[in-house]
Amino acid sequence: DGGITQSPKYLFRKEGQNVTLSCEQNLNHDAMYWYRQDPGQGLRLIYYSQIVNDFQKGDIAEGYSVSREKKESFPLTVTSAQKNPTAFYLCASNNRGLNTGELFFGEGSRLTVL
Amino acid sequence: GENVEQHPSTLSVQEGDSAVIKCTYSDSASNYFPWYKQELGKRPQLIIDIRSNVGEKKDQRIAVTLNKTAKHFSLHITETQPEDSAVYFCAASMSGTASKLTFGTGTRLQVTL
Repeated sequence: DGGITQSPKYLFRKEGQNVTLSCEQNLNHDAMYWYRQDPGQGLRLIYYSQIVNDFQKGDIAEGYSVSREKKESFPLTVTSAQKNPTAFYLCASNNRGLNTGELFFGEGSRLTVL
Repeated sequence: GENVEQHPSTLSVQEGDSAVIKCTYSDSASNYFPWYKQELGKRPQLIIDIRSNVGEKKDQRIAVTLNKTAKHFSLHITETQPEDSAVYFCAASMSGTASKLTFGTGTRLQVTL
């Protein structure tokens, strides 16, 4: 069954701790993205990667880090430097190239900092 | 960078009526404008998109219009049904693709019986 899998679905973290959110896709997509969703603010781009071993900062990259060692995996680490980490995080992927309009999203991970 | 504004933030319509959601963008270089629908507790899904070389696109009950001069685009849903109730997001990109989309803040549409 093709798609994007995010884990965990819910995560609780104490202040000062780093946490890593997993994103795996078996769609053979080149590009992968991390978005943050907050009430009333839509989806904001954190990081994206268009090819293995390469990634770029999005609009709100501060306090986050990523890696892209494999085509199918794009984990996001929320570090203790992120001032307001409590949010809903969405991973997405698509193919590169012209006319590749659709982003395919995972089901999301909800992070709560206690 | 690009900035996308979306209005209204909430919209309530009666079943069978039409719904219109409007977005404006700031960068005239933007050339790709998708709309995503997110049902409660589910992932966003693409419902329709339009590129800057087209002024209007329709798909059954939904349509999108684009005014490049005014830098705004709109989603039109006709004959609304309860299953249309969801949050709708507009977005814009300068790459012609879904790479580096800038999203609007979302519109919560409620279709009442």
